Amino acid sequence: QVQLVQSGTEVKQPGSSVRVSCKTSGGIFTDFAFSWVRQAPGQGLEWLGGIIIFLNKATYGQRFQGRVTITADKSTATVYLDMNTLTIEDTALYYCARGRNGPFDFWGQGSRVTVS
Amino acid sequence: QSGLTQPPSVSATPGQTITISCSGSTSNIGDEDVSWYQQFPGKAPQLIIFDNHKRPSDIPDRFSASKSGTSATLAIAGLQPGDEAEYYCGSWDNVLSAKVFGSGTQVIVL
Repeated sequence: QVQLVQSGTEVKQPGSSVRVSCKTSGGIFTDFAFSWVRQAPGQGLEWLGGIIIFLNKATYGQRFQGRVTITADKSTATVYLDMNTLTIEDTALYYCARGRNGPFDFWGQGSRVTVS
Repeated sequence: QSGLTQPPSVSATPGQTITISCSGSTSNIGDEDVSWYQQFPGKAPQLIIFDNHKRPSDIPDRFSASKSGTSATLAIAGLQPGDEAEYYCGSWDNVLSAKVFGSGTQVIVL
């Protein structure tokens, strides 16, 4: 059974950085790509970027280029999202999901990031 | 990044059939597969349609979808109170090299 378990709530000050983790289990980690999607309060879904695990290649949405880094640790089957220079507008629920250009078939439970 | 266009809300009574439209462009829906997601308040989205019209094994056949040109449509037949949720379409955009989502449609069961 595939599971994506994310790290917990983060409260950050403007200008700081945050790291969110997503530990995966079930399935062969290197067979897949993973993405990060965020949802601001009362808003829709926004793709931040994704990583193709076996290539160790990450790509990002235009808005997040240079501010977001997605990495993966094959030894622990964990995907990471690092975001710097946080602003109040980055307050959101951050989801990891399995998939990138294809469908997102499994999702994490979400990690709340509050910038205040 | 440009998103896909969905109506803000659709409402109907139990038992009716509703459709949700998703409009894009030649760089996304016109050239790439569409997926649909259901999201209940406080929960993560769940995949209900992939590759334009395919259902995961645990999704009832009351949910169906199609794609034509640069638009896609999700249909929910025999609407039930438990179908009240937000629905999002998604597709890869091969010009932006990014995943794009629709703005979401709230389904209201009257």
